[in-house]
Amino acid sequence: EVQLVESGGGLVQPGRSLRLSCTTSGFTFGESAMSWVRQAPGKGLEWVGFIKSNVYGGTTDYAASVKGRFTISRDDSKSIAYLQMNSLKTEDTAVYYCTRVGDYYGLDVWGQGTPVTVSS
Amino acid sequence: QPVLTQPTSLSASPGASVRLTCTLPSGINIGDYRLFWYQQKPESPPRYLLNYYSDSNKYQGSGVPSRFSGSKDASSNAGILVISGLQSEDEADYFCMIWHSSAWVFGGGTRVTVL
Repeated sequence: EVQLVESGGGLVQPGRSLRLSCTTSGFTFGESAMSWVRQAPGKGLEWVGFIKSNVYGGTTDYAASVKGRFTISRDDSKSIAYLQMNSLKTEDTAVYYCTRVGDYYGLDVWGQGTPVTVSS
Repeated sequence: QPVLTQPTSLSASPGASVRLTCTLPSGINIGDYRLFWYQQKPESPPRYLLNYYSDSNKYQGSGVPSRFSGSKDASSNAGILVISGLQSEDEADYFCMIWHSSAWVFGGGTRVTVL
């Protein structure tokens, strides 16, 4: 069974940092691109960023709202993807979902999400 | 990034067929895109339902009932999710998504209420 499990969320003050982890199982992680999507309370879905597989250079790209502050990385030996969030703002408050990029760039598997609250 | 427009809400009775639309902005042609649909119930992550490019190029998510289907309406530049034989368990938010210019773009979601 394919599983994605996020961890690392919590309450953090504005301007501070937080690192989320996405631990995966049930598929060949090294062959998959991974993406992060967030959902603010009561709002819709917003793409955050993604990382290609190392087969394709492991390159990353980000939404404009987080570019320069957030960094995605991966450890293929552990089948884990990371989201490093720096200079956090109150508007970054959301549930953060880790997703697998499947065929045709569909986000076909989602974790259960981890909540991040940015507040003083 | 473009904005995908979805009706905020929709209500229907059990057994009805409902049609959820996802309209692309002018300037990007629905015919060029594969549309993805997701279902989200309260306190749960989104669930991948299906993707649709054409009648001969579409994919149903694992375990997704066949009463969920996709289509396009070129005249309104919209993607469509049809739920046939609406059931109480279908009450949820439904989001559309496309892959555009190396980014994922979501619609705002439609809340479906089963009367």
